[in-house]
Amino acid sequence: EIVMTQFPATLSVSPGERATLSCRASQSVTSNLAWYQQKPGQAPRLLIYGASTRATGIPARFSGSGSGTEFTLTISSLQSEDFAVYYCQQYNYWWTFGQGTKVEIK
Amino acid sequence: QLQLQESGPGLVKPSETLSLTCTVSGGSISSSSYYWGWIRQPPGKGLEWIGSIYYSGSTSYNPSLKSRVTISADTSTNQFSLKLSSVTAADTAVYYCTRPSGGDYSDYWGQGTLVTVSS
Repeated sequence: EIVMTQFPATLSVSPGERATLSCRASQSVTSNLAWYQQKPGQAPRLLIYGASTRATGIPARFSGSGSGTEFTLTISSLQSEDFAVYYCQQYNYWWTFGQGTKVEIK
Repeated sequence: QLQLQESGPGLVKPSETLSLTCTVSGGSISSSSYYWGWIRQPPGKGLEWIGSIYYSGSTSYNPSLKSRVTISADTSTNQFSLKLSSVTAADTAVYYCTRPSGGDYSDYWGQGTLVTVSS
């Protein structure tokens, strides 16, 4: 099983600031990496696939980068609606998810 | 616009079989090249992939759940289903049905349904 590790577990950021979330795979997943956003009581929403391609309707302030085992999700200027939990998911070999990073208001 | 909706019992007894159905609207589950899947999330925890079914009927399951999981599809009702046998309290979770684009990542999700395993 490919283990996905996200860090930090919690990120405290002020509105308007940049947020950088990390995701590490236990072995290479090439670029087969997706990011999701989940708000309380809601289903996850796809943000990024292929490590760096924004899903339909996702604002340009969300960007993804990385390949192999190290990946980053950057939110360039946090808006109030961006405070949520973010998950990475690899789909190179079956599917596994990271444990999530909670982005909270500082 | 594609929409998915889970349905099924919210309470299941230990050792019994959990059965959920996902009704798809706005698209056909038999459309070529589409996958359909299930993901679950225990309360306060992260996401776990359960498995998926291709439009042709072929299935893929999480190896850790494979011995207990069956995913099937009914094209006449445009629904697909999940059965998880021999459930325990560890199977208590919100269960989501999804559409994995190309089998890779889920771009459409149902709202989720909480299933509690308790006597």
